[in-house]
Amino acid sequence: DIQMTQSPSSLSASVGDTITISCRASQNIMYSLNWYQYKPGRAPKVLIHAASLLQTGVPSRFSGTGSGTDFSLTISNLQPEDFGSYYCQQTYNMFPSFGGGTKVE
Amino acid sequence: QVLLQESGPGLVKPSETLSLTCTVSRTTMNTEDYFWAWVRQHPERGLEWVGVTSNSGTVYYNQSLRSRLTLSVDPSKNQFFLRLRSVTAADTAVYHCARALACQGTCLAEVFDIWGQGTHVTVSS
Repeated sequence: DIQMTQSPSSLSASVGDTITISCRASQNIMYSLNWYQYKPGRAPKVLIHAASLLQTGVPSRFSGTGSGTDFSLTISNLQPEDFGSYYCQQTYNMFPSFGGGTKVE
Repeated sequence: QVLLQESGPGLVKPSETLSLTCTVSRTTMNTEDYFWAWVRQHPERGLEWVGVTSNSGTVYYNQSLRSRLTLSVDPSKNQFFLRLRSVTAADTAVYHCARALACQGTCLAEVFDIWGQGTHVTVSS
């Protein structure tokens, strides 16, 4: 199985901040990395797919970079609606797996 | 806009079977372009991929759940289903259904692009 490790597990931020969340894969996954936003009681939302492609309708303050084993999600000019949890997901093989999540408070 | 909605009991007793339904709206399930997936989120833990089914019933399971899990589909009703046997407290979670864009090659899905809001399931006597 491919293990996905996110850091930090939580972070404190303010409106207007720029934050970066990291995700590391236990093996090379090329560009097969997605980022999701998760809020309790809401449908999770895909933000970035294939490491850096912004999903349609997602604000441009979200950006993703990386390849191989190291990836990051950056949120610029943090907005009130951006507070919540973020998960990375690898889709390199037949068993997609998620990172442990990062809670942005 | 495509919608997915989970339904099922919120409380299941230990050793019993959990049964959930996902109803898909505003699109057809009769397509080879997508898998239909289940993902769960444990309390205070991250997301866990449960498994997927195709519209024809081809299934892929999380290996840790394979011995207890059955996924099935009824495209005529635009629904797919989860059955998890012999549940324990460790199966307490929010269960989400999702649409997964199928990928070509040695991968299963490129991205889970549409999700339901989830249904909370507690395993307790």
